[in-house]
Amino acid sequence: DGGITQSPKYLFRKEGQNVTLSCEQNLNHDAMYWYRQDPGQGLRLIYYSQIVNDFQKGDIAEGYSVSREKKESFPLTVTSAQKNPTAFYLCASSTVGANVLTFGAGSRLTVL
Amino acid sequence: KQEVTQIPAALSVPEGENLVLNCSFTDSAIYNLQWFRQDPGKGLTSLLLIQSSQREQTSGRLNASLDKSSGRSTLYIAASQPGDSATYLCAEENAGNNRKLIWGLGTSLAVNP
Repeated sequence: DGGITQSPKYLFRKEGQNVTLSCEQNLNHDAMYWYRQDPGQGLRLIYYSQIVNDFQKGDIAEGYSVSREKKESFPLTVTSAQKNPTAFYLCASSTVGANVLTFGAGSRLTVL
Repeated sequence: KQEVTQIPAALSVPEGENLVLNCSFTDSAIYNLQWFRQDPGKGLTSLLLIQSSQREQTSGRLNASLDKSSGRSTLYIAASQPGDSATYLCAEENAGNNRKLIWGLGTSLAVNP
């Protein structure tokens, strides 16, 4: 079945450590996105990519980095520069020009 | 600043009731509006998408409407079931905004057996 796989589902990190969240899709979608979800706030866009080897900053890119070396993969690195990284992270994809987003199941990051 | 507001924040109804969830937006140049469902601790599932040229979309027991002039969308759920319990989010896409969605905070729905 086609879909988006995020891993790990739960991740604990000590302050000062970088962590990488995986996002893989087998939908042949060109566009991929990373969102952050916090209680009491709407989803906020971190980074997005519409084509391999190209990506753009979203609204809250500071402290995060991404790469898009393959069409099916869009990993997100949460760096030690991110001041408040504890959150639920959602990866999504879509075909370019289409509007419907397909989401992964999410990764919950907790900083100890 | 464009905003999306969802009212109520939480709703609890007995099984079988028809119900309406509300979404209002400030964007006058809306491109489309989408409704999503999110189960606790899970990702989002797209329910319905309404293009700016459309007035409503239907899928099974769900009907979503769009009124651009008043800046409102509603999600109508007919004959609610306990399995409908989830958080429902709406998001609008601006006609000139490069694939960025503006999200509401969601309505948390509980359908009681």
